[in-house]
Amino acid sequence: GAGVSQSPSNKVTEKGKDVELRCDPISGHTALYWYRQSLGQGLEFLIYFQGNSAPDKSGLPSDRFSAERTGGSVSTLTIQRTQQEDSAVYLCASLKGAADYEQYFGPGTRLTVT
Amino acid sequence: RKEVEQDPGPFNVPEGATVAFNCTYSNSASQSFFWYRQDCRKEPKLLMSVYSSGNEDGRFTAQLNRASQYISLLIRDSKLSDSATYLCVVNKNTGGFKTIFGAGTRLFVKA
Repeated sequence: GAGVSQSPSNKVTEKGKDVELRCDPISGHTALYWYRQSLGQGLEFLIYFQGNSAPDKSGLPSDRFSAERTGGSVSTLTIQRTQQEDSAVYLCASLKGAADYEQYFGPGTRLTVT
Repeated sequence: RKEVEQDPGPFNVPEGATVAFNCTYSNSASQSFFWYRQDCRKEPKLLMSVYSSGNEDGRFTAQLNRASQYISLLIRDSKLSDSATYLCVVNKNTGGFKTIFGAGTRLFVKA
């Protein structure tokens, strides 16, 4: 079956512009994570959605970052007024239940802020 | 101190060698543990879950030591294809669920 998809795969933007990154999770998966990974670094937790519960936004690095998940499926991560330090790979993962389940990752969006 | 710590390596080993990685975690309320594998410029994929009783999958053995708060991954008879970064993952549920990834241990297996 289809896995997790993310779009765009690559995004180059100028400093100060807003960007939207999209994640299509596996159908039926109720939980979704966003992470970012800088070159040679580990995954940094950003936000977690579980069903209809309020999302855990504790990992968002600043108020320029926001995310939503519409209809319990597709999620978008928005970064406003991008900065060069936002350059990273943004990874989305979906899970069929609580976080004890396997996380299925999308291929990521490589964001470059010039 | 990071909540999940791993030796970044790299570990350079010859084919056929046995190699072991450790991962320490700081929060005793941590509930579940996993090893993920990440190939260069690819997304992470689950390698195996880690159970208190230890578990084995072919050449891979994972163990959990709650008393000392570490998990380990042992790879026997290393293959060239084992070259990757191995990520330790810890889930905890204290005032909100959280998944924490370690920064990873890089392994290079050479012919």
